[in-house]
Amino acid sequence: KNEVEQSPQNLTAQEGEFITINCSYSVGISALHWLQQHPGGGIVSLFMLSSGKKKHGRLIATINIQEKHSSLHITASHPRDSAVYICAVRFRGYSGGSNYKLTFGKGTLLTVNP
Amino acid sequence: GAVVSQHPSRVICKSGTSVKIECRSLDFQATTMFWYRQFPKQSLMLMATSNEGSKATYEQGVEKDKFLINHASLTLSTLTVTSAHPEDSSFYICSARDLAGRYNEQFFGPGTRLTVL
Repeated sequence: KNEVEQSPQNLTAQEGEFITINCSYSVGISALHWLQQHPGGGIVSLFMLSSGKKKHGRLIATINIQEKHSSLHITASHPRDSAVYICAVRFRGYSGGSNYKLTFGKGTLLTVNP
Repeated sequence: GAVVSQHPSRVICKSGTSVKIECRSLDFQATTMFWYRQFPKQSLMLMATSNEGSKATYEQGVEKDKFLINHASLTLSTLTVTSAHPEDSSFYICSARDLAGRYNEQFFGPGTRLTVL
């Protein structure tokens, strides 16, 4: 069964702390997305990865294909980083077009206190 | 980056009425658009995949006669919730995939919060 597991479910940090959110999946994937959803609901796509590591500002995303695991790191966290972070994967075997489906994790609620 | 818009952002309607939600790709052409629904404290659930010029593909358990999807152009897909009921109240999100494959990923709209009274 194609599954995506995120941990932790909830995370509270003090401003300035280094944050790590984890995502594990069950079988081979074509791509993995990290998404951010603020309390208002809108979703922002942070990263798409198929291998290695990507960095954008204070955000870093890594993926280990052999271990079927990805991490999202936030350096020098800030209260405005408070949001739900969602891992979503496209499992291998889907060939694109209408089969470009994503399977979503349940999300990690991050709260950064000042 | 690519931008996807949704309209309206928020709608309140009476039970039994129909509501149309628009999803537009603003600066790229999208052969494929996806419609998701999200209930409070739950993750996104794919409702249907919409391909330009053809019928949408619905996920198991989603009533195609209740959730009408039209993808008439490469930049616009619409979701119509027909005869809405309070249990249809939810957050509806669309995403679009870039035709040219420049980005090779989905871009998400800001979502539409539907409340059915």
